[in-house]
Amino acid sequence: AQSVTQPDIHITVSEGASLELRCNYSYGATPYLFWYVQSPGQGLQLLLKYFSGDTLVQGIKGFEAEFKRSQSSFNLRKPSVHWSDAAEYFCAVGVYNQGGKLIFGQGTELSVKP
Amino acid sequence: EAGVAQSPRYKIIEKRQSVAFWCNPISGHATLYWYQQILGQGPKLLIQFQNNGVVDDSQLPKDRFSAERLKGVDSTLKIQPAKLEDSAVYLCASSLVGLAGGFTGELFFGEGSRLTVL
Repeated sequence: AQSVTQPDIHITVSEGASLELRCNYSYGATPYLFWYVQSPGQGLQLLLKYFSGDTLVQGIKGFEAEFKRSQSSFNLRKPSVHWSDAAEYFCAVGVYNQGGKLIFGQGTELSVKP
Repeated sequence: EAGVAQSPRYKIIEKRQSVAFWCNPISGHATLYWYQQILGQGPKLLIQFQNNGVVDDSQLPKDRFSAERLKGVDSTLKIQPAKLEDSAVYLCASSLVGLAGGFTGELFFGEGSRLTVL
């Protein structure tokens, strides 16, 4: 069965520091992988997605993620965190039969220290 | 382009009462999803429609939850009777269906309807 694991429930980083959020997936075929962000009281917004090709994908707000098939991972990175990046981050795997759907991980809450 | 609209944003009810949530997806999006997000957890798919047909409702508690998407546009999710464990945010999302029914990959989410069951 498809699943997504985000090992870190909560991470705190200082503003200006680098960030890496971990994501591991379980999927039998080539996965579609996504990172979404959810700010308080808001819906989920797509940061970036991987379908195929270059394993390093760029997203909005300066985020990037790297797909590593051998490790079943899709970690999210940002070189310098801003206070406005504080939010909940969700990794998801796309199941692409019957119109497609997303299976989400449990999320990582990011706090940013001034 | 207008986003996914949901209402109400907040609802507080007593257990055993009923509640309904409404969703209007982005115009032209054939696929509509209802997700349940319990505090501290990731969203869990309850039901998926393609046009007005159900594609996946395997995780919908059918003894108390029902959903419909009349005319393949807006949708209603109902809970009757509600239990304490139904307290959650109910997220509606929509997506395009690609050529030959392929998954385009991006879901567009509404802001959610927060339900508190007392």
